[in-house]
Formats: sequence, C-alpha cells, structure tokens
Amino acid sequence: GAGVSQSPRYKVAKRGQDVALRCDPISGHVSLFWYQQALGQGPEFLTYFQNEAQLDKSGLPSDRFFAERPEGSVSTLKIQRTQQEDSAVYLCASRPRRAGGTGELFFGEGSRLTVL
Amino acid sequence: SQQGEEDPQALSIQEGENATMNCSYKTSINNLQWYRQNSGRGLVHLILIRSNEREKHSGRLRVTLDTSKKSSSLLITASRAADTASYFCATPLNQAGTALIFGKGTTLSVSS
Repeated sequence: GAGVSQSPRYKVAKRGQDVALRCDPISGHVSLFWYQQALGQGPEFLTYFQNEAQLDKSGLPSDRFFAERPEGSVSTLKIQRTQQEDSAVYLCASRPRRAGGTGELFFGEGSRLTVL
Repeated sequence: SQQGEEDPQALSIQEGENATMNCSYKTSINNLQWYRQNSGRGLVHLILIRSNEREKHSGRLRVTLDTSKKSSSLLITASRAADTASYFCATPLNQAGTALIFGKGTTLSVSS
C-alpha cells in the first residue's frame, strides 16, 4: 500500500476484554515497530520486528501485551484483560532497512484504544 | 523510557515569526531525527542529522546538533498556521540503532 495502515482507528473496550490491533506496513519494509502514546506524551517504544523475528520486546509493559508478525508483513498487537491504564494511541511504524539502519520511520495513523 | 527531552513543552507564536525547539539526550548517538505530529495523526519524519554533522537545512527547517552538549535544536523560519503541531526529537534506542525513542515533544501553536 501507499502508507502504513492501522485498524481499527478507534476501539472502545470494557475492562477485562481482549483487543487486537492490526498493522499493515509499507510493502517490502523489513522492520516494524509498535509504540504506545499516552495523551500529551511522546511515543513509547513497545516492540520491534525484523521480518517475522521479534528482536526486541523490552518495551512491552506486561505479559498481557503480545505482538506477532508471522509472515513478516502484517503485524498484530494483542492486549489481554485490558485495564484502564492501557488507554492510549497505539502507533505502528515501518522502515525499509535492516536493523542498524538509520533511516526514517514511516508511521501509521494509530489505533486509539479507550478502556472503560 | 524516553531519552530525549524537548524544551519548551509548549510554544505560541504569530505567523511569520521563527520557532525554536530544543532537545537534550543522555547517551551517545549516531544520529538524531525530528518528527512532527498533527493532532490525532501519526508522526511524520522531518529531518535526520548524523553525529558528524553540526547543522542541516531542509526548506524552512534548520537543525543543529552539538554532541558535546548532547543537544539539538530545530528552527522553523517564517512560521505558518499549518506548522501548528507537536514536534518530537528521536534518538536510537541502543547502539544497534534498531528502534527510536522519542521525547515528550514541544507543542507549537502558530496563530494567524
């Protein structure tokens, strides 16, 4: 596609529900990143994939957060048993170069999660 | 964790004025990037400056980097109402340079 596509754009979940957020990166981009952005804050790194390999998940806040990219293209971020503090915008970004590259990140519009 | 810290947190100016935002970071880097985010949208890359560069220009943007002070500045000249957005600096998460980490941002408001 022309850009990074994320869905849904908006998600309202009741506390305790599981949610799945999808990211479709730019075709051919090797690296994929997930970020969490709370209101009024900068994006916080969650996890990083190079192709299908999850090379860094140091930013995932708890074991309720899980991300996958099974075929090296589309990625899903899953949050189990959502809590109110999970309310945030979840941003996906991709980059064409391999790890160690210094290229820019291309961001999607984000998925805004509200947990009631 | 966030390495970059932008200053000021918020900036309000009139159209035509220049806007300067600063970023400080903590560890050695090989490059620093600036991004812009319009309200409710994703981030858009503006400019990248490498550690061996002191200054870089792109249109109305001028970025400086002082590695000895671990700081960078972004200057937007002749600002326009359309420049209203949040601006973030970003540095590599680690030496491998995989992910970027972002500061809290400067919110710029340009009034006409």
